[in-house]
Amino acid sequence: SAVISQKPSRDICQRGTSLTIQCQVDSQVTMMFWYRQQPGQSLTLIATANQGSEATYESGFVIDKFPISRPNLTFSTLTVSNMSPEDSSIYLCSATRGSSENTIYFGEGSWLTVV
Amino acid sequence: DAKTTQPTSMDCAEGRAANLPCNHSTISGNEYVYWYRQIHSQGPQYIIHGLKNNETNEMASLIITEDRKSSTLILPHATLRDTAVYYCLRASGSARQLTFGSGTQLTVLP
Repeated sequence: SAVISQKPSRDICQRGTSLTIQCQVDSQVTMMFWYRQQPGQSLTLIATANQGSEATYESGFVIDKFPISRPNLTFSTLTVSNMSPEDSSIYLCSATRGSSENTIYFGEGSWLTVV
Repeated sequence: DAKTTQPTSMDCAEGRAANLPCNHSTISGNEYVYWYRQIHSQGPQYIIHGLKNNETNEMASLIITEDRKSSTLILPHATLRDTAVYYCLRASGSARQLTFGSGTQLTVLP
């Protein structure tokens, strides 16, 4: 299994500011993803974090709002830019080792509240 | 498009088996069925996955119909700690992207 650590686990942010969430995996993984879970809702995929290149965003999510980095195989960051109360959500990092290891693991999430 | 259909909620008596159904009638030949659960305010926890054979691990059993259009997750002896939202998902072997539906809220009753 893979252990995924996220920081911060929880934060309260001011409207208009930006916050960067870090995701660290304890072993090399092939693919990393970022999800958002708004209050009372299910998870929605934001983007696939690609090592050494621009992330692949899902419909409705853009790089200017959610810049993502993945400098190596075990680390990724998601920034939530120019936050508004609508960005109050749990942001989750997930990872998988790829075709020989089908399981997809999730971090515990970063709970952001924008005031 | 969640691609799977699950009941919104289910109850189960503590100590009894919990059987959670999932419909995935349009599943492709290379798509796996995954089950996760999410306890309030925590990240999703992997339970089990399978392609076409039934699978069992220390947490649960997964029964997939022969036509692969539906599956059932079985928690053999439910405990109060099994109260959670259970998600049934499908993902191809290479894509690894999961599309979450609304899931089933399982409540284990004492």
